[in-house]
Amino acid sequence: DIQMTQSPSTLSASVGDRVTITCRASQSISSWLAWYQQKPGKAPKLLIYKASSLESGVPSRFSGSGSGTEFTLTISSLQPDDFATYYCQQYNSCTWTFGQGTKVEIK
Amino acid sequence: QVTLKESGPVLVKPTETLTLTCTVSGFSLSNARMGVSWIRQPPGKALEWLAHIFSNDEKSYSTSLKSRLTISKDTSKSQVVLTMTNMDPVDTATYYCARTMVRSYGMDVWGQGTTVTVSS
Repeated sequence: DIQMTQSPSTLSASVGDRVTITCRASQSISSWLAWYQQKPGKAPKLLIYKASSLESGVPSRFSGSGSGTEFTLTISSLQPDDFATYYCQQYNSCTWTFGQGTKVEIK
Repeated sequence: QVTLKESGPVLVKPTETLTLTCTVSGFSLSNARMGVSWIRQPPGKALEWLAHIFSNDEKSYSTSLKSRLTISKDTSKSQVVLTMTNMDPVDTATYYCARTMVRSYGMDVWGQGTTVTVSS
């Protein structure tokens, strides 16, 4: 099975900061990678699909990049509503895997 | 408006079989561009993908849980059902269903989740 490793596990940042989260796959997944935001007690929300495509309605400060085994999610200017946990998710050969999550905290 | 809603027991005993239902609206389970996945999240832990069913009834399962899971759908009722056998306290979690778009294999709409506790 493909394993997904996110880093860091926790990130402390301030409003206005540029934030980058990394996700690494244990083998190549082409561009079949998605990013989600989850707030406490809520279902995850899709932010990015196919590594770099912005889901409709998601603010443009969110962006994704990468292919193969290394991917990044960038928030260009962190807003108060962005403090949450972020997960990457891969698809390969009819199976899906999530990363362990990155919690973005207020510094 | 596309919605998914999970339903099932709140409490199950160890060794029992869990049956969860996902009722969808706003799209058809026969739409070739879409499928439905089940995902769970133990308290304070990460998301874990469990199973997926495509419009053509093709199914896929988590390797680690494959022997315990069965996913099925009733298109006429707009329902996707997940059964998990031999429940254990470590299976205590919030269980979500989500629509998956074939164009991206991303999960674009999620249910609110249903919390299942396994305890005697």
